[in-house]
Amino acid sequence: DADVTQTPRNRITKTGKRIMLECSQTKGHDRMYWYRQDPGLGLRLIYYSFDVKDINKGEISDGYSVSRQAQAKFSLSLESAIPNQTALYFCATSDPRGYAGGSNEQFFGPGTRLTVL
Amino acid sequence: DQQVKQNSPSLSVQEGRISILNCDYTNSMFDYFLWYKKYPAEGPTFLISISSIKDKNEDGRFTVFLNKSAKHLSLHIVPSQPGDSAVYFCAARSGSGNTGKLIFGQGTTLQVKP
Repeated sequence: DADVTQTPRNRITKTGKRIMLECSQTKGHDRMYWYRQDPGLGLRLIYYSFDVKDINKGEISDGYSVSRQAQAKFSLSLESAIPNQTALYFCATSDPRGYAGGSNEQFFGPGTRLTVL
Repeated sequence: DQQVKQNSPSLSVQEGRISILNCDYTNSMFDYFLWYKKYPAEGPTFLISISSIKDKNEDGRFTVFLNKSAKHLSLHIVPSQPGDSAVYFCAARSGSGNTGKLIFGQGTTLQVKP
């Protein structure tokens, strides 16, 4: 069973539509992240959350919003989708206890491929 | 401004030979470096990491080397196997406070030929 799941896996939408991507995890981790991957640019951080009451912007948060509904759920919304938001989106989790003396590795979901026409 | 760079978009090696993937960074405050591997239609998976206070970390066929003076790290895979064909991302962790944020490179696609 997957520890980090993302829905939907694929989505095609039109410019101006509101889209929500959902992420759920069973790892019991407090920290959750949203990234987007674009060819030649690697993974870039959109938003991150260290607990239910903590939401932080990443390097490319414009045009996006997030909601941390519970420890296990972190959703990403595109309020009015535009074509340059076409990308592969990944959710990730990490355990803060891994920070001290550890690398604080992040665990990724399978990704959502979003196409905005 | 790309703080973590993987300047080789792709690499092709023969099965059994060594694969060397390179990564450069600009921020001397990074305290951990990680390598992730990504297969098509899957999310990245953690491979190996190294603390900034070390210069080498080994795990089976995978070894990561860190040269702090050159701000350069490399991942060695010996021997390379066809199943190693994937996209490899290096990432650096910001050491400023307990943030745990990772900054990723652009990725290098490795092809191991049988």
